[in-house]
Amino acid sequence: GENVEQHPSTLSVQEGDSAVIKCTYSDSASNYFPWYKQELGKGPQLIIDIRSNVGEKKDQRIAVTLNKTAKHFSLHITETQPEDSAVYFCAASIMTNAGKSTFGDGTTLTVKP
Amino acid sequence: DTAVSQTPKYLVTQMGNDKSIKCEQNLGHDTMYWYKQDSKKFLKIMFSYNNKELIINETVPNRFSPKSPDKAHLNLHINSLELGDSAVYFCASSQAKGNYEQYFGPGTRLTVT
Repeated sequence: GENVEQHPSTLSVQEGDSAVIKCTYSDSASNYFPWYKQELGKGPQLIIDIRSNVGEKKDQRIAVTLNKTAKHFSLHITETQPEDSAVYFCAASIMTNAGKSTFGDGTTLTVKP
Repeated sequence: DTAVSQTPKYLVTQMGNDKSIKCEQNLGHDTMYWYKQDSKKFLKIMFSYNNKELIINETVPNRFSPKSPDKAHLNLHINSLELGDSAVYFCASSQAKGNYEQYFGPGTRLTVT
């Protein structure tokens, strides 16, 4: 089955700096890679996703890159703000597999004002 | 306009008891999930139902029994609760073909004493 590794497990940055979280996956058949943000006391919420036919996707301060050959993908947050502080999860899935996603272990991001 | 709702939000019970958690989604999705998030924030899939049929059943003790009376509901019944069952349980839903984004409920914090 799919195995997703996520690094780092904790990340602390100063407000305004960039943050990068990296994930690797094992199943070359995986073709959908979402990123979820989980705020304290809430359920995870999708912030950005990328499909395997695309190498990069950007949405305002958030971007995701995908390297299919190396089987890794990364989340980039620029100009971080205190409200970006949360736990971030990457996931990998096969779109024909009725939505089963394998999640990374999460990264706790702290943005210091 | 809650998309995915769970009840109860908190559940405190003693070892050996039987309890149920209910989940409902009003998004018209055809796939629903149960996840367990432990104290280290690891998010692990337990079950997935597509059109009321069980499609994913990860290595979960058979004390856990999901039930989907219709596409909009997925309940989780737990027999003979153990201390190790203490966790936050998240329900989620998605559309098997299409967007693939999973929408998570607010979670149910189960504490077994």
